[in-house]
Amino acid sequence: DVKVTQSSRYLVKRTGEKVFLECVQDMDHENMFWYRQDPGLGLRLIYFSYDVKMKEKGDIPEGYSVSREKKERFSLILESASTNQTSMYLCASSPPRQGRGQPQHFGDGTRLSIL
Amino acid sequence: RKEVEQDPGPFNVPEGATVAFNCTYSNSASQSFFWYRQDCRKEPKLLMSVYSSGNEDGRFTAQLNRASQYISLLIRDSKLSDSATYLCAVTPLEYGNKLVFGAGTILRVKS
Repeated sequence: DVKVTQSSRYLVKRTGEKVFLECVQDMDHENMFWYRQDPGLGLRLIYFSYDVKMKEKGDIPEGYSVSREKKERFSLILESASTNQTSMYLCASSPPRQGRGQPQHFGDGTRLSIL
Repeated sequence: RKEVEQDPGPFNVPEGATVAFNCTYSNSASQSFFWYRQDCRKEPKLLMSVYSSGNEDGRFTAQLNRASQYISLLIRDSKLSDSATYLCAVTPLEYGNKLVFGAGTILRVKS
């Protein structure tokens, strides 16, 4: 089974802090993704990476950055946390597309509150 | 128009009922389709892939209708434990490895 592990289930930070969310997968997947999920808005893609040191912006990258120094680890960084970044953050991974697209496998999620 | 649309529900059904959800997609070049299940305050979990020929797994059946651009999920003999939000996900050809998710359909199975 694919295992995607996020570093924290719950996190409380203050406005203006720099926040790091970590994600590790154990299936040697090339692709990794960061989403946030808010009631009524569904899953929104923040950033994704298809290889080490490669990254691409998703639909809502503003206020976030990412780092992928190793294949198994993908970090999401909130440069200066704001209250509107309070949300559920989900990391996912998938193998490369092989003709057809591949499903993504999600971590448990991090419920982040910015006070 | 959203790329992937789902009826948000909730669908309230009694135990033992058969219930079906649809998910419409706008990009005719979409190639891969999936159903996920998400329990309250948990992560989405892959329920099943949807193939051109359809896919059945126990009480769950998924179908693809390319002509009308929708996928469906049928749940037979509903259980209380089926109560969850069901998300569909679609991969348009030009999106590479990204999935586009619907906002989900809420199912509540009641005794």
